Amino acid sequence: DAKTTQPPSMDCAEGRAANLPCNHSTISGNEYVYWYRQIHSQGPQYIIHGLKNNETNEMASLIITEDRKSSTLILPHATLRDTAVYYCIVLEGNTGKLIFGQGTTLQVKP
Amino acid sequence: GAVVSQHPSRVICKSGTSVKIECRSLDFQATTMFWYRQFPKQSLMLMATSNEGSKATYEQGVEKDKFLINHASLTLSTLTVTSAHPEDSSFYICSARDLRRRTDTQYFGPGTRLTVL
Repeated sequence: DAKTTQPPSMDCAEGRAANLPCNHSTISGNEYVYWYRQIHSQGPQYIIHGLKNNETNEMASLIITEDRKSSTLILPHATLRDTAVYYCIVLEGNTGKLIFGQGTTLQVKP
Repeated sequence: GAVVSQHPSRVICKSGTSVKIECRSLDFQATTMFWYRQFPKQSLMLMATSNEGSKATYEQGVEKDKFLINHASLTLSTLTVTSAHPEDSSFYICSARDLRRRTDTQYFGPGTRLTVL
């Protein structure tokens, strides 16, 4: 099972881009990287996922390195409502399980 | 995104009673749902995988006789905490696996806050 490593916390100024890194050096070739976030006392919210190509949706962009050993989630214009714990997870392909690590607590400051 | 609901959102019960939590996928069918537990200031911990029409698969260390899971339809899974005790007080969260797209995505419910007195 591929594990991920994220910094425990980050700060970002409101209106600026938030770049959240994630290392997943043991990822297998067919395993996807998923990003979720959890705002206090709520269920996690799906953000984006990818395999090897960069992905973009209305919430964020996901940049995956060519060797797939790391990725970066980009929130292009962070707002105060983006303050949350962000989880980078490698999906277990056979079981579909998401094993949560400690994530990165992003604090967006005015 | 897909919508997953949980009911109730909050429950307070006396020690020794049983509590049932419902998880519903509102706009898609989910053959697989997952149950998590989260203690204060900690991450989510996977408890079990719920498969429609079959027995649930529990993670190591999770008591299957204490946490009863039933997945009787493609849109509903229930978690029953039997003989609840104060140490079972926690935030319980479910997710439903959406396989409609080329790759599967889990969508989470809003969670149920259980307090056992």
